[in-house]
Amino acid sequence: VQLVQSGAEVKKPGESLKISCKGSGYTFTTYFIAWVRQMPGEGLEWMGIIHPGDSNTRYSPSFQGQVTISADKSSSTAYLQWSSLRASDTAMYYCARHASPRLATVDFDYWGQGTLVTVSS
Amino acid sequence: QSVLTQPPSVSAAPGQKVTISCSGSSSNIGNNYVAWYQQFPGTAPTLLIYDNNKRPSGIPDRFSGSKSGTSATLGITGLQTGDEADYYCGTWDNSLRAGVFGGGTKLTVL
Repeated sequence: VQLVQSGAEVKKPGESLKISCKGSGYTFTTYFIAWVRQMPGEGLEWMGIIHPGDSNTRYSPSFQGQVTISADKSSSTAYLQWSSLRASDTAMYYCARHASPRLATVDFDYWGQGTLVTVSS
Repeated sequence: QSVLTQPPSVSAAPGQKVTISCSGSSSNIGNNYVAWYQQFPGTAPTLLIYDNNKRPSGIPDRFSGSKSGTSATLGITGLQTGDEADYYCGTWDNSLRAGVFGGGTKLTVL
């Protein structure tokens, strides 16, 4: 099982961005994929999840309306996107796979390597 | 402020035991399973404990988890210098209808 994320990004405030997380070694449509933010020197923040099988998506209230999570079954890839970045979006973003089919859980058995997003003018 | 409360730091000597607490409420820990993660600087977290007290394959039995009411505890015995890392608890929150993490605890092995 592997989750491979897209590379680091440097963007300006107001720009849009879409980062990716490609799953392999398992049936991508079977497990939820979550996105987790880690700001510099800070802790983990659960952003939201998607079930690639039916695109059922859930967002943390803190991130609802700020980002969009999507998935493409045909390419076994999940996405996290912003329409207008802010400096406060500067962080490492991880995708992670649910260890079980349950929705209401935070046990992630496989993680991507992380995508560093830097937003600066 | 994190929904789950962890001590910012703990420390102990090599070979000793340490516990890390994670305090929540009935909307999260009290009614859901807890997971624990270990994170070394510059790397992704690793799942240590899931479903309150289960260890994924490959995780040594020096690591243990427990839950009582609205609190959970991670225990590490036989401390090694290689255990120095940040540790996070996480669970689902029924009120937020979202996952939540603790603020993290930095373990120092003196």
